[in-house]
Amino acid sequence: SQQGEEDPQALSIQEGENATMNCSYKTSINNLQWYRQNSGRGLVHLILIRSNEREKHSGRLRVTLDTSKKSSSLLITASRAADTASYFCATDAQGGSEKLVFGKGTKLTVNP
Amino acid sequence: KAGVTQTPRYLIKTRGQQVTLSCSPISGHRSVSWYQQTPGQGLQFLFEYFSETQRNKGNFPGRFSGRQFSNSRSEMNVSTLELGDSALYLCASSYGLLSYEQYFGPGTRLTVT
Repeated sequence: SQQGEEDPQALSIQEGENATMNCSYKTSINNLQWYRQNSGRGLVHLILIRSNEREKHSGRLRVTLDTSKKSSSLLITASRAADTASYFCATDAQGGSEKLVFGKGTKLTVNP
Repeated sequence: KAGVTQTPRYLIKTRGQQVTLSCSPISGHRSVSWYQQTPGQGLQFLFEYFSETQRNKGNFPGRFSGRQFSNSRSEMNVSTLELGDSALYLCASSYGLLSYEQYFGPGTRLTVT
């Protein structure tokens, strides 16, 4: 069952620009995480934000969480060609039997 | 520290056969989870093991099973393969049940013909 839904499905920008991806989810959560996946490979954990946090930074990444709207956003500043990847949000569904529930992802292309 | 390793990386099987995939977690990690990734359904949780016990299970048929050994290594098995089982199977490890940050392996690409 898909809880997270990323928006947009695909995003194409130029190097140096900022990229913003959004994630919406349906049920209450403990944490929300963002992962990156380069084409056909394993996922890399980017950042975890807890339900009592509103914003978190890690290098060029900024994540916000709005539990009242059940949504999160991931901002990548000063994007690089190496940021080209698919980005997924993942939530732990409270009371659910699934460890993590992933959205379908945003495919980001950064053009040099 | 070595990352999560999965073997084999690629596999081609015929409908009706069975397959076993292996995952070695990061040293010290006791939780291993498995996910199936397909273009149509995205990433879906299969099951999670902690200290050799299955703790959580996703919505998959009984043909999908797994186990974890005392050294935390895990295997998943799919019996009576169907074409729809073609997917990237990802294994992830984490330190404990309350550690939600998952470290993923490179995956096993299974093709069923």
